[in-house]
Amino acid sequence: GIQVEQSPPDLILQEGANSTLRCNFSDSVNNLQWFHQNPWGQLINLFYIPSGTKQNGRLSATTVATERYSLLYISSSQTTDSGVYFCAVRGSGGGADGLTFGKGTHLIIQP
Amino acid sequence: DGGITQSPKYLFRKEGQNVTLSCEQNLNHDAMYWYRQDPGQGLRLIYYSQIVNDFQKGDIAEGYSVSREKKESFPLTVTSAQKKPTAFYLCASSIILSGGQGRYNEQFFGPGTRLTVL
Repeated sequence: GIQVEQSPPDLILQEGANSTLRCNFSDSVNNLQWFHQNPWGQLINLFYIPSGTKQNGRLSATTVATERYSLLYISSSQTTDSGVYFCAVRGSGGGADGLTFGKGTHLIIQP
Repeated sequence: DGGITQSPKYLFRKEGQNVTLSCEQNLNHDAMYWYRQDPGQGLRLIYYSQIVNDFQKGDIAEGYSVSREKKESFPLTVTSAQKKPTAFYLCASSIILSGGQGRYNEQFFGPGTRLTVL
């Protein structure tokens, strides 16, 4: 099945800093989503982005489908940005309809 | 107020006991999914259903069963064969659209159920 690798696994930054999270995947995809998991475990949808670039406030994402990677940018970090960020994909080669998740990037923003 | 609800929030199971986790959605979504998250890990697919009265196994279906008798409901039963001590179970749903831009199936998640085996 499709493989998803996220980097870095852990990231500690000061409030106000910018960060870039990376997601590499092993095959072509027809669904790629970025999520933020809050301390209570809820998965918050950030972007649905199988290709192209999107922006939402301080967050933006880019997926280069031909090179099989996606990037999540967080600018002017706030302490509330802390948590785990997951990239998840569905391969376009058929098979199960669910998402394959990476292991996540654990982000800590210090005041 | 549209969304996905899961109950209970916390559940304790004795070894040898079957328990059922509830998932309901009022988004009129076609597809529903169950995932398991082990401590410090990503999510893995247990079962999914694209239509009423039909469901498919995911990557880790052993020890679980599901039903889809109504479009809005997709309960998961954790059987005594499932040996994982503690895990977080998340339900998701999506609308599925196929067209010129390809296949759109953005998934949205419920708040989860934390299951502990005593």
